[in-house]
Amino acid sequence: QVQLVQSGAEVKKPGASVKVSCKASGYTFTKYYMHWVRQAPGQGLEWMGIINPSGGTTSYAQKFQGRVTMTRDTSTSTVYMELSSLRSEDTAVYYCARDVSRRHELGYCTSISCPNWFDPWGQGTLVTVSS
Amino acid sequence: SYELTQPPSVSVSPGQTASITCSGNKLGDKYACWYQQKPGQSPVLVIYQDSRRPSGIPERFSGSNSGNTATLTISGTQAMDEADYYCQAWDSSTEVFGGGTKLTVL
Repeated sequence: QVQLVQSGAEVKKPGASVKVSCKASGYTFTKYYMHWVRQAPGQGLEWMGIINPSGGTTSYAQKFQGRVTMTRDTSTSTVYMELSSLRSEDTAVYYCARDVSRRHELGYCTSISCPNWFDPWGQGTLVTVSS
Repeated sequence: SYELTQPPSVSVSPGQTASITCSGNKLGDKYACWYQQKPGQSPVLVIYQDSRRPSGIPERFSGSNSGNTATLTISGTQAMDEADYYCQAWDSSTEVFGGGTKLTVL
């Protein structure tokens, strides 16, 4: 079955960087984009960005531009999310989630809509930023 | 930037119908999805492409999307349906989530 397994919890000091991994199994890794979403304690879901495991291209939410880097290793079917210049507000559970769509097809997603969805989600990785 | 608005909380009695709304400008022109999240767990997809139900999701879950509002409806609500629910849509190369609705079954 399709499964996303993330790396373990991290504790970091302000100003440091963190790199979270997400290992995929049960499907062809390069055929589905992957999202990263975070959830601060007691708060809602916040989209961070997306990576195409096939070519490595990325698109980041404006809020995280310049601080986030998403990469992939096709040999191990793993995607990574690195967040730098950490601050206390970055304390959150970070999730990877597979994008289910044909967004690689030209015109599939327009500026107005995209028939995609997130399924499944990884188990989440708690990142705590504290001095 | 595009915003999706959900009521913070909805209450329903067991066996009754719960409706959770998600509002956004011309949301009906987009595709809406819904996720269920129970405490300490990862989100789970319950509705995609406005009204489609993934395999394994009970038939009591249904969805609609028109105008400025998408709606998740749970018929014959059960205690196990108590959870947070999030809507999601795409706009201008950005994925957007609603703020979430806590469904209480009492």
